[in-house]
Amino acid sequence: DTGVSQNPRHKITKRGQNVTFRCDPISEHNRLYWYRQTLGQGPEFLTYFQNEAQLEKSRLLSDRFSAERPKGSFSTLEIQRTEQGDSAMYLCASSFGGTYNEQFFGPGTRLTVL
Amino acid sequence: EDKVVQSPLSLVVHEGDTVTLNCSYEVTNFRSLLWYKQEKKAPTFLFMLTSSGIEKKSGRLSSILDKKELFSILNITATQTGDSAVYLCAVEAPGGTSYGKLTFGQGTILTVHP
Repeated sequence: DTGVSQNPRHKITKRGQNVTFRCDPISEHNRLYWYRQTLGQGPEFLTYFQNEAQLEKSRLLSDRFSAERPKGSFSTLEIQRTEQGDSAMYLCASSFGGTYNEQFFGPGTRLTVL
Repeated sequence: EDKVVQSPLSLVVHEGDTVTLNCSYEVTNFRSLLWYKQEKKAPTFLFMLTSSGIEKKSGRLSSILDKKELFSILNITATQTGDSAVYLCAVEAPGGTSYGKLTFGQGTILTVHP
């Protein structure tokens, strides 16, 4: 399968714990995005990478959130000191870049904070 | 702030019916509008629209964009139960420090009964 992959698919954690998610984009894509989706809402943008450079971060991304894309391939999203309000589906998308920017999504990581 | 509004929020039809889903937007520096289908997992890409008045078609699905009136419609003809999903509209509006993030509407929940 050459699509976007994400691990783990589900994560249950206790409030206050740290969690880390991984995203592997489509191999030739140089742009990578993280979104968060809560029930009944469309995805909300969190952050964006072009190769290894993090070029944009949403105001939604508090200082407890950090994302990296160390070699311009896979990316990790870490949430420190999780809160119940962090419970959501975390989606990763990638795109080739260029003028028009079709983004292809991975299956998501569903986070539940107890 | 960029804004995307979809209507209706939910729709229930019977197999064989034709449906029209609406998406209106208020953004600065519009570049493209995208439609996705989401079935309890990650959104799957349907269409990208960049120019007014040019219909994009894929099987029973079609979509068109009106950049003057700032809206798009997604038509599904001869609906099938497999069309039941959430349909998401998203707009890409880069500008300033924004490099192509998508702003999503809240989605239209389509239910097709046999």
